[in-house]
Amino acid sequence: DTGVSQDPRHKITKRGQNVTFRCDPISEHNRLYWYRQTLGQGPEFLTYFQNEAQLEKSRLLSDRFSAERPKGSFSTLEIQRTEQGDSAMYLCASSHPTTQYNEQFFGPGTRLTVL
Amino acid sequence: SQQGEEDPQALSIQEGENATMNCSYKTSINNLQWYRQNSGRGLVHLILIRSNEREKHSGRLRVTLDTSKKSSSLLITASRAADTASYFCATDGGSKLTFGKGITLSVRP
Repeated sequence: DTGVSQDPRHKITKRGQNVTFRCDPISEHNRLYWYRQTLGQGPEFLTYFQNEAQLEKSRLLSDRFSAERPKGSFSTLEIQRTEQGDSAMYLCASSHPTTQYNEQFFGPGTRLTVL
Repeated sequence: SQQGEEDPQALSIQEGENATMNCSYKTSINNLQWYRQNSGRGLVHLILIRSNEREKHSGRLRVTLDTSKKSSSLLITASRAADTASYFCATDGGSKLTFGKGITLSVRP
């Protein structure tokens, strides 16, 4: 399968714990995006990378959130000191500069539940 | 914040009928895209329309764009039970996508 993959698919944690999610984009896609989606809402942009450079961050990305893409391939999103309000689906997407007009390909998401 | 606003919020139709979903947005765009999401799954790209296009077709999908009214519509013809899903419009301002809240479409067999 050459689509975007995310790991884990589900994560249940207790409030105050740290969690880390991984995203593997489509091979050779140099852009990688993170979105968050809460129940009944559309995805909201968190951050995006072009290669290893983090080019834009949303104000939603508080200082408890950090994202990395050290080698310009896979990316990790870490949430420190999780809060119940962090419960959501975290979606990763990737795109290639030659992809016509920024068509983004999404992974299946990681569903986070904070107890 | 979400820029796109879809209308209606929910739509229930009989298999074989057409489904029309509308989206309005607020700022200038490079293009507008429609995505589908099955329950608990990731998003699937359906169709993209550029800001200088007015209408586009792809299979059973027809999308229109009116930049003067900042609105778009998605028409699904001859609906099938498998079209049951949430549909989102997303505006592309150059990098990130800004999504609406989505429309829940139910197609009754």
